Amino acid sequence: AQSVAQPEDQVNVAEGNPLTVKCTYSVSGNPYLFWYVQYPNRGLQFLLKYITGDNLVKGSYGFEAEFNKSQTSFHLKKPSALVSDSALYFCAFLYGNKLVFGAGTILRVKS
Amino acid sequence: NAGVTQTPKFRILKIGQSMTLQCTQDMNHNYMYWYRQDPGMGLKLIYYSVGAGITDKGEVPNGYNVSRSTTEDFPLRLELAAPSQTSVYFCASSRGTGYNEQFFGPGTRLTVL
Repeated sequence: AQSVAQPEDQVNVAEGNPLTVKCTYSVSGNPYLFWYVQYPNRGLQFLLKYITGDNLVKGSYGFEAEFNKSQTSFHLKKPSALVSDSALYFCAFLYGNKLVFGAGTILRVKS
Repeated sequence: NAGVTQTPKFRILKIGQSMTLQCTQDMNHNYMYWYRQDPGMGLKLIYYSVGAGITDKGEVPNGYNVSRSTTEDFPLRLELAAPSQTSVYFCASSRGTGYNEQFFGPGTRLTVL
């Protein structure tokens, strides 16, 4: 079955350090991949997507993600974490007209 | 421009009761979706619609019904509430095809006792 996996339930990072939130995919063909963020008691917000083209995708709030076909990964990165980045992050892929989400990774940034 | 609005924000139901979760978007989006979010499980798609009069099942449709009579509104109906339907429900919408970003509402927290 096609899926995305987020291997870490939680990632802890100090403010100012680089952060990575991991996502691997098992999707046939050319995958359409997404990252969304959810702040407490809020709906999800779109961060970025990979459809085709450049493997490095830049998104909102200084986030970027690198599509790596050989490693079937689409990790979310940011060079310098902020406390305000603390949230729940979801990787997703497009299946037909529908998004299929991973289980999510909690990011905690400590000052 | 309010985006996607959902009502109510919170609701407690007794087993067997019925209710409708309301969702409205003012962005003239064709696509609308209903998800449920359970802890540690991500979001699961319940139903979706690609336009007025057209709906289709998602991953977890059992126990729910939807209708789409207008572009703006996409209500979700629970007919006989069960404790397994305790969850947070999100409505979302997007323009055009599925690879456009989805805009989410603030959610409805439903508890069935």
